[in-house]
Amino acid sequence: GAVVSQHPSRVICKSGTSVKIECRSLDFQATTMFWYRQFPKKSLMLMATSNEGSKATYEQGVEKDKFLINHASLTLSTLTVTSAHPEDSSFYICSAGQGADYGYTFGSGTRLTVV
Amino acid sequence: SQELEQSPQSLIVQEGKNLTINCTSSKTLYGLYWYKQKYGEGLIFLMMLQKGGEEKSHEKITAKLDEKKQQSSLHITASQPSHAGIYLCGAGDGLTFGKGTHLIIQP
Repeated sequence: GAVVSQHPSRVICKSGTSVKIECRSLDFQATTMFWYRQFPKKSLMLMATSNEGSKATYEQGVEKDKFLINHASLTLSTLTVTSAHPEDSSFYICSAGQGADYGYTFGSGTRLTVV
Repeated sequence: SQELEQSPQSLIVQEGKNLTINCTSSKTLYGLYWYKQKYGEGLIFLMMLQKGGEEKSHEKITAKLDEKKQQSSLHITASQPSHAGIYLCGAGDGLTFGKGTHLIIQP
């Protein structure tokens, strides 16, 4: 079945630094990938839709300059949290789909802690 | 935008008992997904429903989409500790999720 690999699974960084999270579709091509953020005991919040070869589409309230998304190939999307602050600490998950009829596969998530 | 409301928010069930989780949409559903998550981990795809009145089963989990395609239910029969987790319904292109139902199974 479809597999999405997300890396790293955990990362701790200092305030002011940038962190890159990778999301790879291992056995299928994904023209569209999605990035979510999850707060403790809360549901997933869609941050942005990553489109291969074009600019990402951000949800209202998500800062484009803080959360940089690059989808350079059909199997890789990256989320870079720039100038990280402690309030950016959260659980980030990506997903990729092969079309609405086939469902979406999620990565295992990245727990970001900014100290 | 589409909003999904899940109920109950949390559920404690004795092992072996049946349970139902509901997901109600503010708009017609053209694809409803059920996922299970253990907090802090990725999501596990359970089922996808598309047609009004559709019902799918996998092991002891059955999901239904009503005829009007605005409500879905997830039913677990003879619950087991392995069923514990957070159940999320999602819909739409970018998958808007409900707030989730936190299921605890008591031995």
